[in-house]
Formats: sequence, C-alpha cells, structure tokens
Amino acid sequence: GEDVEQSLFLSVREGDSSVINCTYTDSSSTYLYWYKQEPGAGLQLLTYIFSNMDMKQDQRLTVLLNKKDKHLSLRIADTQTGDSAIYFCAENPTGGGNKLTFGTGTQLKVEL
Amino acid sequence: GAVVSQHPSRVICKSGTSVKIECRSLDFQATTMFWYRQFPKQSLMLMATSNEGSKATYEQGVEKDKFLINHASLTLSTLTVTSAHPEDSSFYICSATLAGPGIQYFGAGTRLSVL
Repeated sequence: GEDVEQSLFLSVREGDSSVINCTYTDSSSTYLYWYKQEPGAGLQLLTYIFSNMDMKQDQRLTVLLNKKDKHLSLRIADTQTGDSAIYFCAENPTGGGNKLTFGTGTQLKVEL
Repeated sequence: GAVVSQHPSRVICKSGTSVKIECRSLDFQATTMFWYRQFPKQSLMLMATSNEGSKATYEQGVEKDKFLINHASLTLSTLTVTSAHPEDSSFYICSATLAGPGIQYFGAGTRLSVL
C-alpha cells in the first residue's frame, strides 16, 4: 500500500513491555523515526534509526528494523502511565528532501 | 537544544478574519520549516515546506492563497490563515529541521477554532 501503516490501538499494563509496529513504504528511506504525541501537544522525537542498522537501544526504548520486510518496531520496556500517548513512525523517503511521511499513529494506553 | 516555539497555542476567531501563527527555532538556525495540519485522531498532513528566503512549496490540494507562509529569517516562519472559515478549524503544527539525519523538531501546535 501507499500508506505507512500502524495498528490503531494498544493497551498494556503498567510494568509490561509495549511493542508498537510500523510498516513503511520506501525501502530506500535513509532514516526512520519514532515520535510521541501527548494530547493537545506537538510531536516529540523519541529516537531514530539509520537504515543500515538492525537495532538501536536507548534506555527503555529499543528499535528494530527489518529492511527486507520494511518493518519497524518500537519496544518500550517497563511501560509507565506517562507513556500513554500516540506514537507515530515516520520515514524519510527518497527524493523527498527533508520531508517525512508519517504513519497513521498508534494510541498506547497504559493501565494500572 | 533544538527547541521550536509555536505561538499562539490556541486561538478562537470569527469567520472571515485572518490568523497568524508563528514558528520559531529558539536555539538553532533552521533553513527548512514545515507546516502540518492534524485532524482529530488522525495523522499529520503536510501542508507546505518553507525555506528561508524563498517561496514555500505547497502540497497538492493546499490553497496557497488561503494559507500564506512567510519564512523571513533562519529562525522564524509564519502561517497566516486568511479569511478563516469554520472548516479551517484544526490543529496546526510546525517543525524545523537540523542538518544531518533530517530530524524534524516540532512546535507544541496551535488549536484554531473558527466560529
């Protein structure tokens, strides 16, 4: 498909791990990103991964990249209530300059 | 570092008036800024790419005369919604890029409500 796709909703219990998945479209994208949006706010960059990497870990966040399948995932360890937000993946498609194409967004709800 | 300030955070205006939204990169120079529109529970829709000192590049379907963009300096871009109507009510977000991995840093957004 043409869209960068994500599942719409994910619910986890506090303390569990969350895994948010993304299927992107352009296999030539140089960088792939994860952003977090809290209600009524702008987007906060969480992390990004260069396309020649398979994995990147940054504290509680782990990004996995499968270029063959154009699949990107974000794992949040020890999920907290403050992690409740909408998470967007984004790609930087070839020929787009610095434009980003955003995914549809996944709403993460963390329950006590 | 890499802070983007967007003002106002919320504006309510009457139909037919014009509204200006400012986007500033506070601690870096941004040659490129982007303007997005976001509808409730939806992803971001790119409206235009703004380059310092040149005309903005609008995405297909975005009226350039309706949404005026000015990028007069390396730290400031403005979006003016002219003759606003209720259908222009939305959440508008700007971003600015740093050189390197094409990272966009976002403002906090502006909630526009047109009565």
